[in-house]
Amino acid sequence: GEDVEQSLFLSVREGDSSVINCTYTDSSSTYLYWYKQEPGAGLQLLTYIFSNMDMKQDQRLTVLLNKKDKHLSLRIADTQTGDSAIYFCAEIKGTGFQKLVFGTGTRLLVSP
Amino acid sequence: GAVVSQHPSRVICKSGTSVKIECRSLDFQATTMFWYRQFPKKSLMLMATSNEGSKATYEQGVEKDKFLINHASLTLSTLTVTSAHPEDSSFYICSARDPYTDTQYFGPGTRLTVL
Repeated sequence: GEDVEQSLFLSVREGDSSVINCTYTDSSSTYLYWYKQEPGAGLQLLTYIFSNMDMKQDQRLTVLLNKKDKHLSLRIADTQTGDSAIYFCAEIKGTGFQKLVFGTGTRLLVSP
Repeated sequence: GAVVSQHPSRVICKSGTSVKIECRSLDFQATTMFWYRQFPKKSLMLMATSNEGSKATYEQGVEKDKFLINHASLTLSTLTVTSAHPEDSSFYICSARDPYTDTQYFGPGTRLTVL
């Protein structure tokens, strides 16, 4: 498809792990990103991964990349209530001048 | 991370007036800035790419005469919504690309409400 797709909603309990999935469209994307958006705020860059990597870990965050399936995931270990937000994956598209294309967003709700 | 600011954070205006939103990169020089629009519970939609010293590049379907973009310096881009209508009400977010890391940093957004 043309869209970068994500599941709409994920609910977990505090302390559990959260896994947010993303299917992107452009196999030539060099970078893939995860952003976090809290209510009424802009986007905060959480992490990114180069397309020649299949995994990147950054503290509680683990990014997995499956280039063959164009599938990206973000795992948050020991999820906290402060992690409740909308999470967007994004890919770089285009040749020459490149632009970010965002996924549909996943709303993560962490309950105590 | 790098800081990008937007001003104002919230604006309410009457239909037919024009509104200017500023986007500043505070600790790096950004030759390229981007303007996005976000509808409630939706993803970000790229409106235009703002290039310092040259004309902005607009995405398909975005009216360049309605959404005026000026990128007069390496740290400032402005978006002016001209003759605003209620359907222009939205959350507008800018980002600035750090040329050294090739990473986009986002502003906190501006909520525009047109009455």
